Amino acid sequence: DTGVSQNPRHKITKRGQNVTFRCDPISEHNRLYWYRQTLGQGPEFLTYFQNEAQLEKSRLLSDRFSAERPKGSFSTLEIQRTEQGDSAMYLCASSLGGVSEVYGYTFGSGTRLTVV
Amino acid sequence: QKEVEQDPGPLSVPEGAIVSLNCTYSNSAFQYFMWYRQYSRKGPELLMYTYSSGNKEDGRFTAQVDKSSKYISLFIRDSQPSDSATYLCATTSGNTGKLIFGQGTTLQVKP
Repeated sequence: DTGVSQNPRHKITKRGQNVTFRCDPISEHNRLYWYRQTLGQGPEFLTYFQNEAQLEKSRLLSDRFSAERPKGSFSTLEIQRTEQGDSAMYLCASSLGGVSEVYGYTFGSGTRLTVV
Repeated sequence: QKEVEQDPGPLSVPEGAIVSLNCTYSNSAFQYFMWYRQYSRKGPELLMYTYSSGNKEDGRFTAQVDKSSKYISLFIRDSQPSDSATYLCATTSGNTGKLIFGQGTTLQVKP
């Protein structure tokens, strides 16, 4: 499978717990993006990495959220002290960057988070 | 006001119909325009992309961009039940690759 892989596919957690999601991008892609999608809405940008450097963070990414991409390979997104409002689908995408980006942008199937 | 506006539908059409999906956007800096298709519990997949104004055709799908009116359209000819999905318009200035999505339109094509 050469696509973007996300794990777990579904996570149910109690309010106040910490959760961590993992994204494995397409191996030659140097850009990696995280988006959040709530029911009935389009994906909203959270943050992106160029290799291991985190270059932009949305104001949606509160202090409880942290993302890493050690060594420019896989990435993790951690949410601390989860709240019910964090319930959403968290999507990861990767791309080569540059002009080819807009058509080489590949999404994973997402991790669905439910906070109870 | 959202940067990209899209009617969420739902839109229900009979098989074989021509479907028209539309979005408007507010930022004239946007240069690249995309349409994604998303099936239930899956990530979005790219259908079409267009740079600046103009038309682009790919099989049964035609994408149109009118930058003067900030209007994006996707036409689906001879619609099939397998086209039933949520269709998301998206745009970017092209500098960072960060995509701005519309709300998505849910389409159902009935056999």
